[in-house]
Amino acid sequence: EVQLVESGGGLVKPGGSLRLSCAASGFRFSDYSMSWFRQAPGKGLEWVGGLTPISSTTNALSYGDLVEGRFAISRDDAKMSLSLQLDDLRAEDTAMYYCAGYSNNWARPYGGFHIWGQGTMVTVSS
Amino acid sequence: QSALTQPASVSGSPGQSITISCAGSANDIGSFNTVAWYQQQQPGKAPRLVIFDVSNRPSGISNRLSASKSGNTASLTISGLQPEDESVYYCSSHTTRNTLIFGGGTYVTVL
Repeated sequence: EVQLVESGGGLVKPGGSLRLSCAASGFRFSDYSMSWFRQAPGKGLEWVGGLTPISSTTNALSYGDLVEGRFAISRDDAKMSLSLQLDDLRAEDTAMYYCAGYSNNWARPYGGFHIWGQGTMVTVSS
Repeated sequence: QSALTQPASVSGSPGQSITISCAGSANDIGSFNTVAWYQQQQPGKAPRLVIFDVSNRPSGISNRLSASKSGNTASLTISGLQPEDESVYYCSSHTTRNTLIFGGGTYVTVL
């Protein structure tokens, strides 16, 4: 079964840190471009950042404007996992965080994410 | 980078057709054939991809959904509206800064 499972969310104080993980199974992870997204309660979808291949061995890492240098994305193809390090968290970072991916052989870059996890909730509050 | 612009809501009766617009700029929709549309049936539930690369439907998506792009604006049309189509729909596009931006979402109501 093709699956993405996020973990690591929780309650954290302003200024604190969290590390989110996304475990992939059921597909060839290394052939997929991956991104993190978030959705604040009652709000729309936002792209946090992601990795797309620019060669057979190198990924281009990009972030949305909301990150402001506070978040870092990494992937480990051998472990089939994607991570999101969240630092200097603020109340406005409270959201459900999703990881998602698309096959590099299936869609143009950022042309459509067809595999999504169920999300992990991050709450930033004192 | 500014978000894409979608109407907040669109409604229609069962069997009718509706169209959702998604307005961008030359730096996003106008530069790439990478518009995607997502359906989110409930808040807190993961979105589902319904259109990729402007006009392509993933396997399992109803052919009542169709999409296109003209200039800096993309559109999603749902024909033969059914109760299960009632959801929030988001558009997205790759940008010239190698980022991804979304529209604010359109709530589709089936009257």
